[in-house]
Amino acid sequence: AQSVTQLDSQVPVFEEAPVELRCNYSSSVSVYLFWYVQYPNQGLQLLLKYLSGSTLVESINGFEAEFNKSQTSFHLRKPSVHISDTAEYFCAAGSSNTGKLIFGQGTTLQVKP
Amino acid sequence: DGGITQSPKYLFRKEGQNVTLSCEQNLNHDAMYWYRQDPGQGLRLIYYSQIVNDFQKGDIAEGYSVSREKKESFPLTVTSAQKNPTAFYLCASSIAGINGYTFGSGTRLTVV
Repeated sequence: AQSVTQLDSQVPVFEEAPVELRCNYSSSVSVYLFWYVQYPNQGLQLLLKYLSGSTLVESINGFEAEFNKSQTSFHLRKPSVHISDTAEYFCAAGSSNTGKLIFGQGTTLQVKP
Repeated sequence: DGGITQSPKYLFRKEGQNVTLSCEQNLNHDAMYWYRQDPGQGLRLIYYSQIVNDFQKGDIAEGYSVSREKKESFPLTVTSAQKNPTAFYLCASSIAGINGYTFGSGTRLTVV
């Protein structure tokens, strides 16, 4: 069965420091990968996605993620975080077989001044 | 602008009452989903529908019911059989196939 594991439930980091949020998935079929961000009391917003092609994908606000098939990972990175990046981040995987997304448990990014 | 609208944003319910959460989308998406979110438990799938007049149970369907009479609408009813209904409920939609979901802004249900 397909599953998504986010290895850290909370990641505290100081402002302007780099950050990596880790995500591993398991799948035996072609996989599509997503990162979503959720601010308090709001819905999830799509941050970036990998469907095919280049394994490095970027968002408009400086986040990037790299699809690594051999390690079945899709880690999210940002070289310098801001206070406004404080939020919960969800990794998700989908397959063409089911048409549904499987979500990880979420990682809370806490950016401290 | 196209989007997905959940209403109300906050909802209070007395024990023993049924309550219906609204979810409407104008994105022309075929599939719609309901998730429940509790602190530290991520997103849990309640029901989903991939086509009008058809829906399937998710992982935690007990105590919930849905309908899909129109492509645009996928209301969720939280019945009195749901033992712990206080939670944040999220609705999402997607086109056929995999291209990610669009989420609504959520409804926070509190049982008083």
